[in-house]
Amino acid sequence: TQLLEQSPQFLSIQEGENLTVYCNSSSVFSSLQWYRQEPGEGPVLLVTVVTGGEVKKLKRLTFQFGDARKDSSLHITAAQTGDTGLYLCGLSNDYKLSFGAGTTVTVRA
Amino acid sequence: NAGVTQTPKFRILKIGQSMTLQCTQDMNHNYMYWYRQDPGMGLKLIYYSVGAGITDKGEVPNGYNVSRSTTEDFPLRLELAAPSQTSVYFCASRHDYGYTFGSGTRLTVV
Repeated sequence: TQLLEQSPQFLSIQEGENLTVYCNSSSVFSSLQWYRQEPGEGPVLLVTVVTGGEVKKLKRLTFQFGDARKDSSLHITAAQTGDTGLYLCGLSNDYKLSFGAGTTVTVRA
Repeated sequence: NAGVTQTPKFRILKIGQSMTLQCTQDMNHNYMYWYRQDPGMGLKLIYYSVGAGITDKGEVPNGYNVSRSTTEDFPLRLELAAPSQTSVYFCASRHDYGYTFGSGTRLTVV
Protein backbone atom coordinates (compact mmCIF):
# COMPACT_ATOMS: atom_id res chain seq x y z
CA THR A 1 0.00 0.00 0.00
CA GLN A 2 1.41 3.35 -1.00
CA LEU A 3 1.25 6.00 1.68
CA LEU A 4 1.09 9.69 0.93
CA GLU A 5 2.30 12.02 3.65
CA GLN A 6 1.74 15.74 3.51
CA SER A 7 3.51 18.37 5.56
CA PRO A 8 2.98 20.55 7.35
CA GLN A 9 -0.51 19.70 8.52
CA PHE A 10 -1.33 23.36 9.18
CA LEU A 11 0.23 26.57 7.88
CA SER A 12 -0.75 30.13 8.74
CA ILE A 13 0.97 33.05 7.06
CA GLN A 14 0.52 36.75 6.39
CA GLU A 15 -0.67 37.96 3.01
CA GLY A 16 2.32 38.59 0.73
CA GLU A 17 4.52 35.88 2.25
CA ASN A 18 5.64 32.75 0.44
CA LEU A 19 4.83 29.18 1.44
CA THR A 20 5.72 25.63 0.47
CA VAL A 21 3.82 22.43 1.18
CA TYR A 22 5.17 18.95 0.64
CA CYS A 23 3.88 15.57 -0.43
CA ASN A 24 5.93 12.38 0.00
CA SER A 25 5.23 8.80 -1.00
CA SER A 26 6.59 5.56 0.39
CA SER A 27 7.25 4.37 -3.17
CA VAL A 28 7.61 5.60 -6.73
CA PHE A 29 4.48 6.79 -8.45
CA SER A 30 3.66 7.42 -12.08
CA SER A 31 1.77 10.69 -11.66
CA LEU A 32 0.57 12.99 -8.93
CA GLN A 33 -2.23 15.51 -8.76
CA TRP A 34 -2.65 18.59 -6.58
CA TYR A 35 -6.07 19.81 -5.51
CA ARG A 36 -7.36 22.75 -3.50
CA GLN A 37 -10.50 22.42 -1.42
CA GLU A 38 -12.43 25.33 0.04
CA PRO A 39 -14.85 24.92 2.97
CA GLY A 40 -18.15 23.35 1.93
CA GLU A 41 -16.89 22.45 -1.54
CA GLY A 42 -15.28 19.51 -3.27
CA PRO A 43 -11.59 19.43 -4.23
CA VAL A 44 -10.67 21.27 -7.42
CA LEU A 45 -7.81 20.05 -9.60
CA LEU A 46 -4.84 22.43 -9.80
CA VAL A 47 -2.30 20.38 -11.75
CA THR A 48 -1.11 16.90 -12.72
CA VAL A 49 2.62 16.13 -12.81
CA VAL A 50 3.89 13.02 -14.58
CA THR A 51 7.62 13.40 -15.36
CA GLY A 52 10.42 13.14 -12.78
CA GLY A 53 11.99 16.57 -12.26
CA GLU A 54 9.02 18.30 -13.86
CA VAL A 55 8.17 21.86 -12.83
CA LYS A 56 4.82 23.41 -13.65
CA LYS A 57 3.69 26.96 -12.98
CA LEU A 58 0.15 28.17 -12.56
CA LYS A 59 0.30 31.94 -12.00
CA ARG A 60 1.78 32.30 -8.47
CA LEU A 61 1.79 28.53 -7.85
CA THR A 62 4.82 26.39 -8.72
CA PHE A 63 4.58 22.60 -8.61
CA GLN A 64 7.64 20.37 -8.59
CA PHE A 65 7.87 16.61 -9.06
CA GLY A 66 10.96 15.05 -7.53
CA ASP A 67 13.57 13.37 -9.74
CA ALA A 68 12.97 10.05 -8.00
CA ARG A 69 9.18 10.46 -8.42
CA LYS A 70 8.54 9.90 -4.73
CA ASP A 71 7.94 13.47 -3.69
CA SER A 72 6.34 16.70 -4.81
CA SER A 73 6.06 20.25 -3.57
CA LEU A 74 3.76 23.19 -4.09
CA HIS A 75 5.17 26.69 -3.66
CA ILE A 76 2.97 29.78 -3.52
CA THR A 77 4.60 33.17 -4.09
CA ALA A 78 3.13 36.29 -2.51
CA ALA A 79 0.17 34.47 -0.99
CA GLN A 80 -3.26 36.10 -1.11
CA THR A 81 -6.27 35.54 1.14
CA GLY A 82 -7.91 33.71 -1.76
CA ASP A 83 -5.22 31.02 -1.47
CA THR A 84 -6.72 29.91 1.84
CA GLY A 85 -7.87 26.31 1.70
CA LEU A 86 -6.99 22.65 2.10
CA TYR A 87 -4.28 21.50 -0.31
CA LEU A 88 -4.40 17.83 -1.16
CA CYS A 89 -2.02 15.68 -3.15
CA GLY A 90 -3.38 12.60 -4.87
CA LEU A 91 -1.65 9.57 -6.30
CA SER A 92 -3.33 7.88 -9.26
CA ASN A 93 -2.85 4.14 -9.67
CA ASP A 94 -5.00 1.46 -11.31
CA TYR A 95 -7.75 3.98 -12.07
CA LYS A 96 -8.00 4.96 -8.41
CA LEU A 97 -6.91 8.15 -6.69
CA SER A 98 -5.48 7.99 -3.16
CA PHE A 99 -5.08 11.16 -1.13
CA GLY A 100 -2.81 12.45 1.56
CA ALA A 101 -4.39 14.01 4.66
CA GLY A 102 -3.81 17.51 3.29
CA THR A 103 -2.28 20.79 4.41
CA THR A 104 -4.63 23.46 5.72
CA VAL A 105 -3.34 26.85 4.59
CA THR A 106 -4.62 30.08 6.13
CA VAL A 107 -3.54 33.39 4.64
CA ARG A 108 -4.22 36.32 6.98
CA ALA A 109 -5.01 39.77 5.62
CA ASN B 1 -22.24 22.20 -18.17
CA ALA B 2 -23.11 21.09 -14.62
CA GLY B 3 -20.20 18.68 -14.04
CA VAL B 4 -20.83 16.37 -11.06
CA THR B 5 -24.05 16.97 -9.12
CA GLN B 6 -24.72 15.50 -5.68
CA THR B 7 -27.96 15.47 -3.71
CA PRO B 8 -28.88 16.08 -0.98
CA LYS B 9 -26.36 18.62 0.39
CA PHE B 10 -27.22 17.85 4.01
CA ARG B 11 -29.00 15.01 5.76
CA ILE B 12 -29.55 13.83 9.31
CA LEU B 13 -30.29 10.13 9.77
CA LYS B 14 -31.23 8.11 12.80
CA ILE B 15 -29.24 4.98 13.61
CA GLY B 16 -30.56 2.06 11.57
CA GLN B 17 -32.22 4.16 8.88
CA SER B 18 -31.26 3.82 5.23
CA MET B 19 -30.74 6.36 2.49
CA THR B 20 -29.33 6.84 -0.98
CA LEU B 21 -26.87 9.58 -1.88
CA GLN B 22 -27.36 10.61 -5.47
CA CYS B 23 -24.60 11.45 -7.93
CA THR B 24 -24.91 12.32 -11.59
CA GLN B 25 -22.43 13.64 -14.16
CA ASP B 26 -23.04 15.08 -17.60
CA MET B 27 -19.52 14.71 -19.02
CA ASN B 28 -19.90 11.15 -20.32
CA HIS B 29 -17.05 9.93 -18.09
CA ASN B 30 -16.73 6.18 -17.65
CA TYR B 31 -14.94 6.27 -14.29
CA MET B 32 -16.83 7.39 -11.20
CA TYR B 33 -15.95 7.32 -7.50
CA TRP B 34 -17.34 7.76 -4.01
CA TYR B 35 -15.16 9.15 -1.23
CA ARG B 36 -15.76 10.04 2.37
CA GLN B 37 -13.89 12.81 4.15
CA ASP B 38 -13.41 12.92 7.89
CA PRO B 39 -11.61 15.78 9.68
CA GLY B 40 -7.83 15.47 9.39
CA MET B 41 -8.10 12.21 7.47
CA GLY B 42 -8.12 13.27 3.84
CA LEU B 43 -10.46 11.45 1.47
CA LYS B 44 -10.96 7.69 1.62
CA LEU B 45 -12.26 5.73 -1.37
CA ILE B 46 -15.49 3.81 -0.70
CA TYR B 47 -16.44 2.39 -4.11
CA TYR B 48 -15.65 3.06 -7.71
CA SER B 49 -16.96 2.15 -11.17
CA VAL B 50 -15.15 1.88 -14.49
CA GLY B 51 -18.34 1.88 -16.52
CA ALA B 52 -22.03 1.05 -16.54
CA GLY B 53 -22.65 -2.29 -14.85
CA ILE B 54 -19.16 -2.50 -13.30
CA THR B 55 -18.38 -1.56 -9.71
CA ASP B 56 -15.63 -2.43 -7.24
CA LYS B 57 -14.69 -1.84 -3.61
CA GLY B 58 -12.30 0.82 -2.45
CA GLU B 59 -10.54 1.20 0.92
CA VAL B 60 -13.61 1.54 3.16
CA PRO B 61 -16.62 -0.23 1.55
CA ASN B 62 -18.22 -1.76 4.66
CA GLY B 63 -21.74 -0.48 5.30
CA TYR B 64 -22.21 0.84 1.76
CA ASN B 65 -23.48 -0.39 -1.59
CA VAL B 66 -23.43 1.06 -5.08
CA SER B 67 -24.92 0.44 -8.50
CA ARG B 68 -24.14 1.81 -11.94
CA SER B 69 -27.00 1.21 -14.36
CA THR B 70 -26.14 4.20 -16.59
CA THR B 71 -22.98 6.16 -17.43
CA GLU B 72 -24.46 9.28 -15.83
CA ASP B 73 -25.58 8.01 -12.42
CA PHE B 74 -23.68 6.41 -9.54
CA PRO B 75 -25.80 6.29 -6.36
CA LEU B 76 -24.39 5.29 -2.96
CA ARG B 77 -26.65 3.37 -0.59
CA LEU B 78 -26.41 3.18 3.19
CA GLU B 79 -28.56 0.32 4.46
CA LEU B 80 -28.26 0.52 8.26
CA ALA B 81 -26.84 3.89 9.21
CA ALA B 82 -24.32 3.95 12.05
CA PRO B 83 -22.70 6.91 13.86
CA SER B 84 -19.36 5.92 12.28
CA GLN B 85 -20.85 6.89 8.91
CA THR B 86 -21.15 10.53 9.95
CA SER B 87 -18.97 12.21 7.35
CA VAL B 88 -18.88 14.32 4.22
CA TYR B 89 -19.34 12.27 1.07
CA PHE B 90 -17.94 13.25 -2.30
CA CYS B 91 -18.67 11.81 -5.70
CA ALA B 92 -16.15 12.26 -8.51
CA SER B 93 -15.64 11.38 -12.15
CA ARG B 94 -12.34 10.93 -13.95
CA HIS B 95 -11.16 12.57 -17.16
CA ASP B 96 -7.82 12.45 -18.97
CA TYR B 97 -6.06 14.95 -16.71
CA GLY B 98 -7.66 14.46 -13.32
CA TYR B 99 -10.87 14.19 -11.38
CA THR B 100 -13.94 16.39 -11.10
CA PHE B 101 -15.67 16.38 -7.73
CA GLY B 102 -19.17 17.24 -6.68
CA SER B 103 -19.78 19.69 -3.84
CA GLY B 104 -20.50 16.94 -1.32
CA THR B 105 -23.21 15.60 0.97
CA ARG B 106 -22.81 16.24 4.70
CA LEU B 107 -24.36 13.30 6.56
CA THR B 108 -24.93 13.11 10.30
CA VAL B 109 -26.09 9.88 11.95
CA VAL B 110 -27.60 10.31 15.42
